Amino acid sequence: QVQLVQSGAEVKEPGASVKVSCKASGYTFNNYDINWVRQVTGQGLEWMGWMNPNSGNTGYAQKFQGRVTITRNTSISTAYMELSSLRSEDTAVYYCARVLKLSGSYYFDYWGQGTLVTVSS
Amino acid sequence: AIQLTQSPSSLSASVGDRVTITCRASQGINSALAWYQQIPGKAPNLLIYDASNLQSGVPSRFSGSGSGTDFTLTISSLQPEDFATYYCQQKFTFGPGTTVDIK
Repeated sequence: QVQLVQSGAEVKEPGASVKVSCKASGYTFNNYDINWVRQVTGQGLEWMGWMNPNSGNTGYAQKFQGRVTITRNTSISTAYMELSSLRSEDTAVYYCARVLKLSGSYYFDYWGQGTLVTVSS
Repeated sequence: AIQLTQSPSSLSASVGDRVTITCRASQGINSALAWYQQIPGKAPNLLIYDASNLQSGVPSRFSGSGSGTDFTLTISSLQPEDFATYYCQQKFTFGPGTTVDIK
């Protein structure tokens, strides 16, 4: 069965960087885009960026441009999201999600369990 | 960029009730809309894609309709496990969510 398993919770100081991993299993990793979505406690879902694991091509939300980097290691079917220059407002749960891409549309059919990143001094 | 609005932002309902949630897009998106359910502490779960297609494994009491700018998610008979927050989504944009709680 398809699974996305994320790395564990992180606590970081303001100004630091965090790198969250997302290990895929149960399908061919290269065949489906991976996206990252975050959720501040009590708030809605916020899209951060996408990656095509086959090509390594990426795209990022304007809000996070210059601070977020999505990469992958295809040999271990794992995607990564690194967010730099952390501030308290980045305290959130970060999700990876697999893309179900249909003609003209783009949805998230499998999600990781989420990784809580806490930014605090 | 396309904006999505949802109404209501929250609602209270009883088990067995029929519940309808609306999502409106700022411009026409054909049928390229999905609905997700999120239970507190859990990841979102895809319910409906392409506005009206039920994702595999999702109970048939969930249905979706609409095209263009106006979309609806309907739960025909609310069950205890359906108390959650529901989000619509179009590509990289999510609606603000609708929380369904117990009356």
